Amino acid sequence: QVQLVQSGSELKKPGASVKVSCKASGYTFTNYAMNWVRQAPGQGLEWMGWINTDTGNPTYAQGFTGRFVFSLDTSVSTAFLQISSLKPEDTAVYYCARARMVATQDAWGQGTLVTVSS
Amino acid sequence: DIQMTQSPSSLSASVGDRVTITCRASQGISNYLAWYQQKPGKVPKVLIYSASTLQSGVPSRFSGSGSGTDFTLTISSLQPEDVATYYCQKYNSAPRTFGQGTKVEIK
Repeated sequence: QVQLVQSGSELKKPGASVKVSCKASGYTFTNYAMNWVRQAPGQGLEWMGWINTDTGNPTYAQGFTGRFVFSLDTSVSTAFLQISSLKPEDTAVYYCARARMVATQDAWGQGTLVTVSS
Repeated sequence: DIQMTQSPSSLSASVGDRVTITCRASQGISNYLAWYQQKPGKVPKVLIYSASTLQSGVPSRFSGSGSGTDFTLTISSLQPEDVATYYCQKYNSAPRTFGQGTKVEIK
């Protein structure tokens, strides 16, 4: 069955970096783009962008450029989200979710809580 | 960028009631609209895609309609397990913007 398994919760200090992983199984990794979605505490879902898992080309939503980087290791069917220069307002649950180019996100990871606090 | 506006932001209804949530796009998106359900503390789950197609395994009391800029999600008979926040999302092109969500509670 299709599974997206994300890395565990992280507690980081302001200014640090974090790298969240999302390991896919049960399907051909390069047939689906990987989306990233942020949910701050008590808030709604924000689409951060996606990465084409075939070409490696990322697309970032407004507000997620500069400090946010999507990357891949296709040899182990894993997508990564790296956030640098962390700020307290980056505290959120980050989800990966697969989708074909013009289709819904039909499988989601379990979410990774990133807490930024001094 | 196209904005997605949901209404209401929250609602309270009785078990068995018909519930309707609306989502409006600031520009036409054809039928590239999905509805997600997120229960408290859980991962979002797709209910409907292509504006009106029920995802496999989703109860038939959920339905979607609309095209262009105006869309609706209807729960024909609200059940206790439907307590959740519901989000619409456009997916015709980037950015794949979500609506702000509608919190559904039982009266």
